[in-house]
Amino acid sequence: ETGVTQSPTHLIKTRGQQVTLRCSSQSGHNTVSWYQQALGQGPQFIFQYYREEENGRGNFPPRFSGLQFPNYSSELNVNALELDDSALYLCASSGGDGETQYFGPGTRLLVL
Amino acid sequence: AQKITQTQPGMFVQEKEAVTLDCTYDTSDQSYGLFWYKQPSSGEMIFLIYQGSYDEQNATEGRYSLNFQKARKSANLVISASQLGDSAMYFCAMRERQYGNKLVFGAGTILRVKS
Repeated sequence: ETGVTQSPTHLIKTRGQQVTLRCSSQSGHNTVSWYQQALGQGPQFIFQYYREEENGRGNFPPRFSGLQFPNYSSELNVNALELDDSALYLCASSGGDGETQYFGPGTRLLVL
Repeated sequence: AQKITQTQPGMFVQEKEAVTLDCTYDTSDQSYGLFWYKQPSSGEMIFLIYQGSYDEQNATEGRYSLNFQKARKSANLVISASQLGDSAMYFCAMRERQYGNKLVFGAGTILRVKS
């Protein structure tokens, strides 16, 4: 196990609602990255947080937002949910720039 | 342009035999890293092996080795002595220095180990 935890494990929401996903990084890691994995595809980079600041963002709209806390845990918030937001959301922590990313078990989000 | 290409959607291998999963990449960066992750049906991405662009020797981690051919821009994963527990999806990923710590993944290869 990597020591990276995510909650909840599964979530069902309806279109238009808002959702918050949580991630606790591995001890000693100060960087958290979030990825979206649609069914049958590879993960897509959403954004990364380093020491509480956003440190890079992928091609996702502003309704995807995040936070990182002083203990380096992180939240991913998605507003105005759409059906296409249904996916596995993966969080990865690393020790900093250039370090290997270790993933959590993911949160499966279903938007109806 | 697709950065990571995995041309094998699915592979079968007999238990105890070796298997090679293909990965080619595209980058103009001189400094980059290549990773392989395993994703069982449970969903968690498990880190297997890493190869830096400046590493002269191929990376090895237990039964996993990475066949790195820089001129061909390929980074194939070799799994020796396959086990039933190796059945999973395998992803090749790249990190380019110019884009920070962002990982770009391929579409993956499903590996099935037969007994």
